Amino acid sequence: EDQVTQSPEALRLQEGESSSLNCSYTVSGLRGLFWYRQDPGKGPEFLFTLYSAGEEKEKERLKATLTKKESFLHITAPKPEDSATYLCAVQAGSNTGKLIFGQGTTLQVKP
Amino acid sequence: NAGVTQTPKFQVLKTGQSMTLQCAQDMNHNSMYWYRQDPGMGLRLIYYSASEGTTDKGEVPNGYNVSRLNKREFSLRLESAAPSQTSVYFCASSKTGAGGYTFGSGTRLTVV
Repeated sequence: EDQVTQSPEALRLQEGESSSLNCSYTVSGLRGLFWYRQDPGKGPEFLFTLYSAGEEKEKERLKATLTKKESFLHITAPKPEDSATYLCAVQAGSNTGKLIFGQGTTLQVKP
Repeated sequence: NAGVTQTPKFQVLKTGQSMTLQCAQDMNHNSMYWYRQDPGMGLRLIYYSASEGTTDKGEVPNGYNVSRLNKREFSLRLESAAPSQTSVYFCASSKTGAGGYTFGSGTRLTVV
């Protein structure tokens, strides 16, 4: 069964304290791995797509990496405005665009 | 503004009542999706429409029906609401077969 697990569930950082969020997956035929950011009371916002092991994508203080079993979202020198829930999702199998989501990591960055 | 529009934003229903959640996108996307989000459960797929004229069940379809009215609109109907359907519902759209969704802002539904 296709499955996505994110860790930790919650993470508290001081401003400027770098860290990483983990997304482990087991799927048959990975078509893509996706990272989203979700602010309270809003819909998820697309961040990155990764397609193959070794691929990396960057956006401001965020960098996403992919291996054959997991993905990391590295946050460098975070700011309070980076506080949000970060969701990982995988697309597997057919070309329907269906995504399987992890439960998310809630990040709080304190000034 | 381009994007995905969901209505209503909030709704309270009594057990057994019916309602339709509306979703429209103006990005010319072929694929549309309905997810529900519950604490500790993540986002779970209810139904999806890979292209206009087609709909398929997702992970949790029981108690719901959908209609792909045209390329822009994809509605979700609860025929007889139950407290277990209390959730936040998100509509999303994407290019055909691509997972880079654009999400709506959600409908917060409470069934009492």
